[in-house]
Amino acid sequence: DGGITQSPKYLFRKEGQNVTLSCEQNLNHDAMYWYRQDPGQGLRLIYYSQIVNDFQKGDIAEGYSVSREKKESFPLTVTSAQKNPTAFYLCASTSGAKSGNTIYFGEGSWLTVV
Amino acid sequence: AQSVAQPEDQVNVAEGNPLTVKCTYSVSGNPYLFWYVQYPNRGLQFLLKYITGDNLVKGSYGFEAEFNKSQTSFHLKKPSALVSDSALYFCAVRDHSGGYQKVTFGIGTKLQVIP
Repeated sequence: DGGITQSPKYLFRKEGQNVTLSCEQNLNHDAMYWYRQDPGQGLRLIYYSQIVNDFQKGDIAEGYSVSREKKESFPLTVTSAQKNPTAFYLCASTSGAKSGNTIYFGEGSWLTVV
Repeated sequence: AQSVAQPEDQVNVAEGNPLTVKCTYSVSGNPYLFWYVQYPNRGLQFLLKYITGDNLVKGSYGFEAEFNKSQTSFHLKKPSALVSDSALYFCAVRDHSGGYQKVTFGIGTKLQVIP
């Protein structure tokens, strides 16, 4: 089945540690996104990529990094510079970032600081 | 800057009754509008979207939404609510005035369908 796979579902980070969340899509979509979800705040855009080897900062990029070496993959690294990383992270993709094409989401990953 | 408002944090409705989840938007050009549903601990699932044309849009699971340009609204509706409709609902907007435009999401409305 086509879709977006995020892993792991649950991840625990120690203080000062970098962690990476995986996102893989087999929908042949050009554009991919990372969102952060906190209760009562909706979804906030962290990074987006419209094409391979290119990505742009979203609204809350500080403390995060991404890469887009392959069309199907868009991993997110939460660095130690992110002071409040505990949240639900959602990866998404769409076939066109400039149109009314639907954005599809993965199942999300929970990150907790311990 | 574009924005989306979902004025109700929570909507309670009895099973079998019609439901409405409200959404208003602000964009500089013409909007693309979307509704998504999220169940606990899951990703967002696409319900429906308005691109152009008929103001009444039909989507998944019996949901529909009405685009009202004069009121800048895109309310989600269902004629008869089910307990299984209980979830968090997000409205989203994208301005298609040109160039890259991100999608802006509302903060979500929790729908509680009471048996």
